[in-house]
Amino acid sequence: GQQVMQIPQYQHVQEGEDFTTYCNSSTTLSNIQWYKQRPGGHPVFLIQLVKSGEVKKQKRLTFQFGEAKKNSSLHITATQTTDVGTYFCAGPRNNNDMRFGAGTRLTVKP
Amino acid sequence: SQTIHQWPATLVQPVGSPLSLECTVEGTSNPNLYWYRQAAGRGLQLLFYSVGIGQISSEVPQNLSASRPQDRQFILSSKKLLLSDSGFYLCAWVGTRGSEAFFGQGTRLTVV
Repeated sequence: GQQVMQIPQYQHVQEGEDFTTYCNSSTTLSNIQWYKQRPGGHPVFLIQLVKSGEVKKQKRLTFQFGEAKKNSSLHITATQTTDVGTYFCAGPRNNNDMRFGAGTRLTVKP
Repeated sequence: SQTIHQWPATLVQPVGSPLSLECTVEGTSNPNLYWYRQAAGRGLQLLFYSVGIGQISSEVPQNLSASRPQDRQFILSSKKLLLSDSGFYLCAWVGTRGSEAFFGQGTRLTVV
């Protein structure tokens, strides 16, 4: 069955450094979504990518969807302490089944 | 607007005791509903999902069960809790095919 793999599992950066997390699927995805979970909180939707090769930006966050629609990345430029949390990608296995990657936990040292 | 309610927020239960976690959704009809479990510092494990009343798909055979007695109600249960059932349980709903998931606040369960 479809698996959504996400790397790295952990990333510790100095404030101001960039951060990237990668998501790979064993099958083609109709879309991919990204979520952020703050420590102690619940995942919150950030963005959805649908088109092959799509790139979207939200301030310092850049999201990409691969040409084959099997991989995606989230890049944060110049991290801040407010970026701390776990970032998840998610891809629907079928119309009903939402699978999440294992998440990348980001810590930022001020 | 749509909202999702999940309770309780925290729960401490002895081994062997039963469990019932409830999730309700407001402001939408016929949502897809999901139960996830998150172990400390880990990812989201899909436990159950439901596309309609009485329809439950189980992803991981374990000590838990789920029920959907009403369109906007999803219940996670156990007859006898194990220590390994400890974790952060999250309910989520998805309104239309392929759209974003909305999560409840979560229940932090500690089995002692």
